[in-house]
Amino acid sequence: KAGVTQTPRYLIKTRGQQVTLSCSPISGHRSVSWYQQTPGQGLQFLFEYFSETQRNKGNFPGRFSGRQFSNSRSEMNVSTLELGDSALYLCASSLQGQGYTGELFFGEGSRLTVL
Amino acid sequence: KNQVEQSPQSLIILEGKNCTLQCNYTVSPFSNLRWYKQDTGRGPVSLTIMTFSENTKSNGRYTATLDADTKQSSLHITASQLSDSASYICVVKGNQGGKLIFGQGTELSVKP
Repeated sequence: KAGVTQTPRYLIKTRGQQVTLSCSPISGHRSVSWYQQTPGQGLQFLFEYFSETQRNKGNFPGRFSGRQFSNSRSEMNVSTLELGDSALYLCASSLQGQGYTGELFFGEGSRLTVL
Repeated sequence: KNQVEQSPQSLIILEGKNCTLQCNYTVSPFSNLRWYKQDTGRGPVSLTIMTFSENTKSNGRYTATLDADTKQSSLHITASQLSDSASYICVVKGNQGGKLIFGQGTELSVKP
């Protein structure tokens, strides 16, 4: 059974640009959550999607957005990039989502560097 | 406010030694607590889950404990190996559809 796949694994952008990250969950999983991880802040919750609907949202500015497609694949977009957006962006899939006791299965992340 | 605090922030031990990582939480009502291991450059992987009624659970050389009264959990690693070098993250879930609350993690380094 294939795991969670995130693309791209590494990318470098400059301030003001935008970026789109992709996440393919484990087959059969309908929930996809996104997290930002930085050395000083740990894992910060961005948003969760379930069956194409945003179910939960963290405390991030509107520059961070996401969506989920009918095949459960998800994308997140960051517009007008700032230096502080440099981080590892992790995607996690689960059968039912954060509101249940199920385990989160994480991808290997997309490492974004903003210059 | 629902919070999860882990200690120590970082830890260096020699190969073969034991160590214990701590996780204190204020999440209420409580549903479960998971320990994740995150190797450098990889995503976190679940080690174990603790529910309200469980006190101790082992996964190989990893043993997690939970004291729901004091809202504390620990992760004990026995006979550490170089491959145990990683970040260990404690994640607590509140009851009734509650969100997941993440600790900041403990960075463990096992030296030869």
